[in-house]
Amino acid sequence: GAVVSQHPSWVICKSGTSVKIECRSLDFQATTMFWYRQFPKQSLMLMATSNEGSKATYEQGVEKDKFLINHASLTLSTLTVTSAHPEDSSFYICSASNPRGQNNEQFFGPGTRLTVL
Amino acid sequence: KQEVTQIPAALSVPEGENLVLNCSFTDSAIYNLQWFRQDPGKGLTSLLLIQSSQREQTSGRLNASLDKSSGRSTLYIAASQPGDSATYLCEYGPQESSGSRLTFGEGTQLTVNP
Repeated sequence: GAVVSQHPSWVICKSGTSVKIECRSLDFQATTMFWYRQFPKQSLMLMATSNEGSKATYEQGVEKDKFLINHASLTLSTLTVTSAHPEDSSFYICSASNPRGQNNEQFFGPGTRLTVL
Repeated sequence: KQEVTQIPAALSVPEGENLVLNCSFTDSAIYNLQWFRQDPGKGLTSLLLIQSSQREQTSGRLNASLDKSSGRSTLYIAASQPGDSATYLCEYGPQESSGSRLTFGEGTQLTVNP
């Protein structure tokens, strides 16, 4: 199957700082990538859909100015958590669909655990 | 609003048992449904993907079925092993025209005891 990587795998930062998370499709081009957030013992929640070369589409309740998404190439999308606060501590996961693959299957990155002190 | 429900929320079984995990969804305009496993603190591993035109998919000891009319999918695990212990999530993939969003269930936490 296709491979999606995320970097970093975990990060600890001070409140008020910004953190950038990268999501890469390693062996295919992804015109669309998705960003999810998962709080402890809860399910994944879709935050936004990242489209290469255009603005991301954010889900209701997700602040676009706080969670900046850039999808500048067909293999890279970045999520920047600006002015992070402890309540932003969560597990962030990206996924990508291979448009040439079968049936719109999504491939997930390994996730990034963010802890804001 | 699309809702995806997984039952049971948690399940503990002895090794060797066959078991069934359930996923139900409210919007019948489904494009596909995907089953994942998630190990503690880790990302998702895709298990099976069923298209709306399919009734079931099989991979090894896993079998997933889809019944669009009743809005249900089941994941069947045969001869369970301790290594199967994880949280199992189903993901509803909507048709583009439906206006619904990709939605995950809350998961079934499975523990297989040796």
